[in-house]
Amino acid sequence: GAGVSQSPSNKVTEKGKDVELRCDPISGHTALYWYRQSLGQGLEFLIYFQGNSAPDKSGLPSDRFSAERTGGSVSTLTIQRTQQEDSAVYLCASSTHPGATGELFFGEGSRLTVL
Amino acid sequence: DAKTTQPNSMESNEEEPVHLPCNHSTISGTDYIHWYRQLPSQGPEYVIHGLTSNVNNRMASLAIAEDRKSSTLILHRATLRDAAVYYCILRANRDDKIIFGKGTRLHILP
Repeated sequence: GAGVSQSPSNKVTEKGKDVELRCDPISGHTALYWYRQSLGQGLEFLIYFQGNSAPDKSGLPSDRFSAERTGGSVSTLTIQRTQQEDSAVYLCASSTHPGATGELFFGEGSRLTVL
Repeated sequence: DAKTTQPNSMESNEEEPVHLPCNHSTISGTDYIHWYRQLPSQGPEYVIHGLTSNVNNRMASLAIAEDRKSSTLILHRATLRDAAVYYCILRANRDDKIIFGKGTRLHILP
């Protein structure tokens, strides 16, 4: 498809397990963003990539969270030893370029439920 | 922290205009004002953006105060499909940390 694709769309896991969430940005988009949205809340910034580089990782909630991007395309957000408070929708967005005028295109999100 | 302030919720009648306010008193001279909206169970979608002048597109209009400390998103004729959370954000040219606030939840009454 032409949009941002995220997988899985839904993931139910047990506390303590590791999960990987994938984001396929729009082809040619160099900027990629991860956000987290808890139920009824706004978007919480997690991390941003320009190409394969993540200049600012300070938004990641803890050292259990990590993200990488390879080939300037697909990105993976990994959560180790999941906790119940990690339950949320994880949203990915891409943009042709960072900066003031770049439009963000969001995926549908990956809903994570930690039991 | 978000650099913008918006009302938590608003109501409007169907087929009437809606004015969604946003305060950004600490805006810098190079910050652009962007609006996104999030329909239920979907990711946010772009609505409009501007710097100083008012802007119009097929979805909405953006009115920016002369001092740029506030702006208003205008939906000219609301429909039930416009019920969503509307986010006002600021973006700088080398801004790699785009912060969304809690937005305004817009309810449209039939």
